[in-house]
Amino acid sequence: QKEVEQDPGPLSVPEGAIVSLNCTYSNSAFQYFMWYRQYSRKGPELLMYTYSSGNKEDGRFTAQVDKSSKYISLFIRDSQPSDSATYLCAMSGTSGSARQLTFGSGTQLTVLP
Amino acid sequence: NAGVTQTPKFQVLKTGQSMTLQCAQDMNHNSMYWYRQDPGMGLRLIYYSASEGTTDKGEVPNGYNVSRLNKREFSLRLESAAPSQTSVYFCASSRDSRPDTQYFGPGTRLTVL
Repeated sequence: QKEVEQDPGPLSVPEGAIVSLNCTYSNSAFQYFMWYRQYSRKGPELLMYTYSSGNKEDGRFTAQVDKSSKYISLFIRDSQPSDSATYLCAMSGTSGSARQLTFGSGTQLTVLP
Repeated sequence: NAGVTQTPKFQVLKTGQSMTLQCAQDMNHNSMYWYRQDPGMGLRLIYYSASEGTTDKGEVPNGYNVSRLNKREFSLRLESAAPSQTSVYFCASSRDSRPDTQYFGPGTRLTVL
């Protein structure tokens, strides 16, 4: 079993829809939770990060962490064609080798105009 | 300010050949990383360098060597390439070891025949 599980999709939605992307994890030592966006043939770019539990909002994007369920989510409101990309969740612990990132396999999102 | 740069962008090797992937950052970051990305596997850490003069193994180090040439540059060497090393390789850097501050390069697409 992988430490981080992510539905690979692909996910296709109409412009303006609310998108929900999710990851589950098994390592209770994870404290940092990140979402990266990766456009085709490009490197990942950090979209949002959350330390420990709770919600974080940035414009149209909201990240949620539920440590009791070992479940994280990224919501995209009013989705745009420019949001079409692969979204990777990543997480890590706080000390030693556990500080290295463990990535999900990514969810491919297409927003149709 | 170019961020993280990688050379070459593409490479085709025959089994048994050797090559070095180059990575440089101009953000004065202390930590640098090499990842590989394979379909359905997400990004996996090969090696990292927490600071100039130090290197450590990541999740999948077999078949690779690294050199932290100076604070800016971190190279990845394949001594005897194998088809299993066909992948997209990403270099990343961060100011310190905090997981949320990693910046990625554009990647090198490597095919081993």
